[in-house]
Amino acid sequence: DTEVTQTPKHLVMGMTNKKSLKCEQHMGHRAMYWYKQKAKKPPELMFVYSYEKLSINESVPSRFSPECPNSSLLNLHLHALQPEDSALYLCASSQEGSSGGENEQFFGPGTRLTVL
Amino acid sequence: GQNIDQPTEMTATEGAIVQINCTYQTSGFNGLFWYQQHAGEAPTFLSYNVLDGLEEKGRFSSFLSRSKGYSYLLLKELQMKDSASYLCAVRNAGNMLTFGGGTRLMVKP
Repeated sequence: DTEVTQTPKHLVMGMTNKKSLKCEQHMGHRAMYWYKQKAKKPPELMFVYSYEKLSINESVPSRFSPECPNSSLLNLHLHALQPEDSALYLCASSQEGSSGGENEQFFGPGTRLTVL
Repeated sequence: GQNIDQPTEMTATEGAIVQINCTYQTSGFNGLFWYQQHAGEAPTFLSYNVLDGLEEKGRFSSFLSRSKGYSYLLLKELQMKDSASYLCAVRNAGNMLTFGGGTRLMVKP
């Protein structure tokens, strides 16, 4: 299994809603990532989990809350989002969180989020 | 910080060769990646360079010069399905990837 899966594929939510994005991989990867991608822009790193511990938080607002329940799962909890948070949210995983070797990141298909 | 530049758009003809350039200035370099991204889809890994020189993978090749902060992706025998965005990404010592703005390639018949 060389796939990263994400659910849901699309999500529309109001500014007062609470929702969660889910990401799963079964490649035995120990590093997992959340990226945000706006239209015609590159992905921007939000969070990195390495061995199930949050290792990087790129100054993301607290209305985004990541969670790593186990080595295969990564969640992103959303609360009180703003319309400008509408974007494609990509999850990725790699063999390990430390650098070295090819260690490329595998991306999931993303969740397209619209905040009304 | 990281600064990564690539052309915004390129157009090429089916069957031709195209070279997409990427220049970077980074604090800490630990490899350069090229990803392909079709509209509305996830980026997919194409190539990785950490040492100077050329890496070849079928129709795709990638070159790196660390002293010049320069890389290129070479696509040969272009096919219509190669129309996509090509993202250059630099990894730092902490395994963080920073992406360039991407180059949107249009392949014409």
